[in-house]
Amino acid sequence: SQKIEQNSEALNIQEGKTATLTCNYTNYSPAYLQWYRQDPGRGPVFLLLIRENEKEKRKERLKVTFDTTLKQSLFHITASQPADSATYLCALDVGSGAGSYQLTFGKGTKLSVIP
Amino acid sequence: DVKVTQSSRYLVKRTGEKVFLECVQDMDHENMFWYRQDPGLGLRLIYFSYDVKMKEKGDIPEGYSVSREKKERFSLILESASTNQTSMYLCASSARGYTFGSGTRLTVV
Repeated sequence: SQKIEQNSEALNIQEGKTATLTCNYTNYSPAYLQWYRQDPGRGPVFLLLIRENEKEKRKERLKVTFDTTLKQSLFHITASQPADSATYLCALDVGSGAGSYQLTFGKGTKLSVIP
Repeated sequence: DVKVTQSSRYLVKRTGEKVFLECVQDMDHENMFWYRQDPGLGLRLIYFSYDVKMKEKGDIPEGYSVSREKKERFSLILESASTNQTSMYLCASSARGYTFGSGTRLTVV
C-alpha cells in the first residue's frame, strides 16, 4: 500500500542548531515533493517544491533534498529560531493525469525550537 | 498573493442539518481542493475539482458532496451532518504549491 511517513511526530531542538526532518514514502513515484508549515489553528503554508530530477533546493535558511532511490526527502532549517516552531508537512503529488496536481500529505512533524 | 477565503472560522451545527462550507480564491486557479484534518490522521482529501462543474472524489468522499459553478468558488456540502464529521475543514487552490484557507472548525452536536 502507499504510505508517506514523517519519522518523528515531535522534534525538540536548541535554538541556533540545524533541525532535520525526514519524509519517507513507499509505492509512489512522485514527480515532485513539497513541504509546508502549519501553525496551530491555521491552514498549511507552502514553503518549497522540489522536482524528481532535482537533488537539492534552498530558500533562505531552508534546504530540501530529494532522493528518489531512497524514496526520501530531508528538510533542514539552519540556525533555527523559536519562531520556526510549527508543524511541518511533506506532500507528494499523486497526479491523476488530469493535471490536477493532487497532493497526499504526511501527518507532519511538530518542531519545537527551545531558546 | 493568492488568497483563499473560507466563509466561517467556527461553525456549530446540529446532527442531521445540511451544512454548506464556502471557499473562494482570487487567483484564477483551475484546481481546488477540500481536506479535513483530524489529530493523528493528518490531512485527508475529500473532493477536488480541476475545472468548473468538474469534480473528483478524494479518499473520504462519503457523506459529502461539492459544487463548482464558478471558477473562483468551491463549496463543500454535508448532506446530513453527523458527529463524526466534527473536524477542521481546509480548502486549497493550486497551480503547483497549494494555497490554503484559514480553515473552518466545524462542530456537529
